[in-house]
Amino acid sequence: TQLLEQSPQFLSIQEGENLTVYCNSSSVFSSLQWYRQEPGEGPVLLVTVVTGGEVKKLKRLTFQFGDARKDSSLHITAAQPGDTGLYLCAGPGSSNTGKLIFGQGTTLQVKP
Amino acid sequence: SQTIHQWPATLVQPVGSPLSLECTVEGTSNPNLYWYRQAAGRGLQLLFYSVGIGQISSEVPQNLSASRPQDRQFILSSKKLLLSDSGFYLCAWRRLAITGELFFGEGSRLTVL
Repeated sequence: TQLLEQSPQFLSIQEGENLTVYCNSSSVFSSLQWYRQEPGEGPVLLVTVVTGGEVKKLKRLTFQFGDARKDSSLHITAAQPGDTGLYLCAGPGSSNTGKLIFGQGTTLQVKP
Repeated sequence: SQTIHQWPATLVQPVGSPLSLECTVEGTSNPNLYWYRQAAGRGLQLLFYSVGIGQISSEVPQNLSASRPQDRQFILSSKKLLLSDSGFYLCAWRRLAITGELFFGEGSRLTVL
């Protein structure tokens, strides 16, 4: 069974601090996605990483896919209150049904 | 561009009452559609998915059912709601690519009293 484990589950920091969220698995994934969800809304896709070792940047957010394609990380530089939300990683399941496997999420709270 | 909408946004229902949540997609044809349920602040549990009209796959045995009467319409239903059906329900469509990103609706908050 493919599983994605995220850590930490909850993170509360002050504005301006840096943070890293991890998404780990014992299985190889062909790609991994990161979503951000604000309270009362649906998740929104941030990025997809496809190649082992790949690094993608989205303003202050840096996403990395592990060399073995079993893990990914999200690093936020100089966090802002607008970064507050639930961050979810997800990857395609091994079947051909198009189902995504989601991690349990990391709740980030950035205090002004 | 593709858009996805679901309604109602908020619903408060008594135990034993029926449920109907509707989801529609615009700007794409024959999409793969999904219903998820989310506990407060946590990950997503896949409930149903559909690859075409009338084709429904259920992921977990439960008090809910799904239907796809039209290509871009996906409905989540229950004949008799339970307290445990409370939650945040999300509809999504999948981009037809190997990476298979999902695009979600706004969500429906269901409270069963």
